Amino acid sequence: NAGVTQTPKFQVLKTGQSMTLQCAQDMNHNSMYWYRQDPGMGLRLIYYSASEGTTDKGEVPNGYNVSRLNKREFSLRLESAAPSQTSVYFCASSATGLLGHGTDTQYFGPGTRLTVL
Amino acid sequence: ELKVEQNPLFLSMQEGKNYTIYCNYSTTSDRLYWYRQDPGKSLESLFVLLSNGAVKQEGRLMASLDTKARLSTLHITAAVHDLSATYFCAVGPLNYGGSQGNLIFGKGTKLSVKP
Repeated sequence: NAGVTQTPKFQVLKTGQSMTLQCAQDMNHNSMYWYRQDPGMGLRLIYYSASEGTTDKGEVPNGYNVSRLNKREFSLRLESAAPSQTSVYFCASSATGLLGHGTDTQYFGPGTRLTVL
Repeated sequence: ELKVEQNPLFLSMQEGKNYTIYCNYSTTSDRLYWYRQDPGKSLESLFVLLSNGAVKQEGRLMASLDTKARLSTLHITAAVHDLSATYFCAVGPLNYGGSQGNLIFGKGTKLSVKP
């Protein structure tokens, strides 16, 4: 099993450009998440998908959109990149969002390092 | 406001010494996680604590949870250089958003173990 995979690993954009970060998991997990990590800020949730067909905003959703393409894939789109979106982006997945069903441990992908000039 | 506070944020230790990292959280929770992150790498799950008084140990690391005090600790015994990393705690608050799986992360404790 590959676990959680993300593409690309690195990306440099100019202000105003758009791009999509791809994430896929092969663990048959129901829930998927997108985080950004900035120095000294820990991880902040951008969007999540509790199950296939649903998506919801997290703590810092502005400037981003997401698509839960199917159970395996969850993409993050930057429509018009800004320098403030320079960050490391992590995708994660967990077995279920239902209380009492499993430990809900989140498994993380390798990350995408994005620089917006 | 939901808060997860770790301290210290930076910790420089000598090999062979013991130390504790603290994680305080501000809301009711039934799940607490500890993760490790090496520089430039992803996050790796270390422990999941699901009940008051839960204690988990793996090698030189031991985590515990006191839900009444809303406090978790990560104790390091006889530190070695390989433990140098950033350690995050994360709390799964009850009824947070639409998914019970959502987590709130602390800012992380950067641990440096020196010979």
